[in-house]
Amino acid sequence: GAGVSQSPSNKVTEKGKDVELRCDPISGHTALYWYRQSLGQGLEFLIYFQGNSAPDKSGLPSDRFSAERTGGSVSTLTIQRTQQEDSAVYLCASSLDRGSGGSTSTDTQYFGPGTRLTVL
Amino acid sequence: GQQVMQIPQYQHVQEGEDFTTYCNSSTTLSNIQWYKQRPGGHPVFLIQLVKSGEVKKQKRLTFQFGEAKKNSSLHITATQTTDVGTYFCAGPLGGYALNFGKGTSLLVTP
Repeated sequence: GAGVSQSPSNKVTEKGKDVELRCDPISGHTALYWYRQSLGQGLEFLIYFQGNSAPDKSGLPSDRFSAERTGGSVSTLTIQRTQQEDSAVYLCASSLDRGSGGSTSTDTQYFGPGTRLTVL
Repeated sequence: GQQVMQIPQYQHVQEGEDFTTYCNSSTTLSNIQWYKQRPGGHPVFLIQLVKSGEVKKQKRLTFQFGEAKKNSSLHITATQTTDVGTYFCAGPLGGYALNFGKGTSLLVTP
C-alpha cells in the first residue's frame, strides 16, 4: 500500500518568508509525528498528533513553528518568518496508534521521504 | 531530560568485517527501536526490543537490549556494501514520539 508522502520534496525560500510543509500519513494511522533532521544530526522531535486529542507541541523550537492536522489525516507544518537555522530535512512519520503509554512496546513509525528546506 | 547517545559516530570497514554500534540512555527505557537510514533516504524501522536482556537476530544483524534496559547494541556480521547507511537507536519520549540518538554512519568499502 501507499506509504507516508510529503510535499514538496525540496523547498528553497528566502529568510523571513513563511513556508508550509505537507504530510499525508498512511491511511488508517491515527498517530502522526513531525521531526527535524539537520545535516549529519539525529532526528529532533517537533510535534505529535493522536486522533482528536490535543497535539503534543513540546518539541517545537519556537512560536514561529506551528502545525495542524485536518480531519485526522493530512498535516501541515508551518514555519513563519524563516531563519537560516531552520534549514533542515523535515520528516513526517505515522503509526497505527499512539506510543507506549502504559505498555512497554511502541508502535512502529513509518517515515515519509522528507522535505528538504533551505533558507537563503 | 532523557538523552540517547550512540557511539561511534562514524565507522569505516572493509567488506566482510564486522561492525558494532552502541546506544546508551540516561534513563531506563520501556523499549528501544533501531532504524536504518540510507544516504539520501529516510529512516526505516529495523526492530524493537522490549524485554530486559533480549537478543534478536535478523540474518547478519544481531540486536541486544541490556539487562538494565539502558543500553543496546547492533552488531553486523560480515558487512556488505548494502549495509551502508546511518543506524539510529531511539527510545520512547514520554511514551509518544521517539528520542533518537545521533546515529552511527557506516561506510563499507569493497
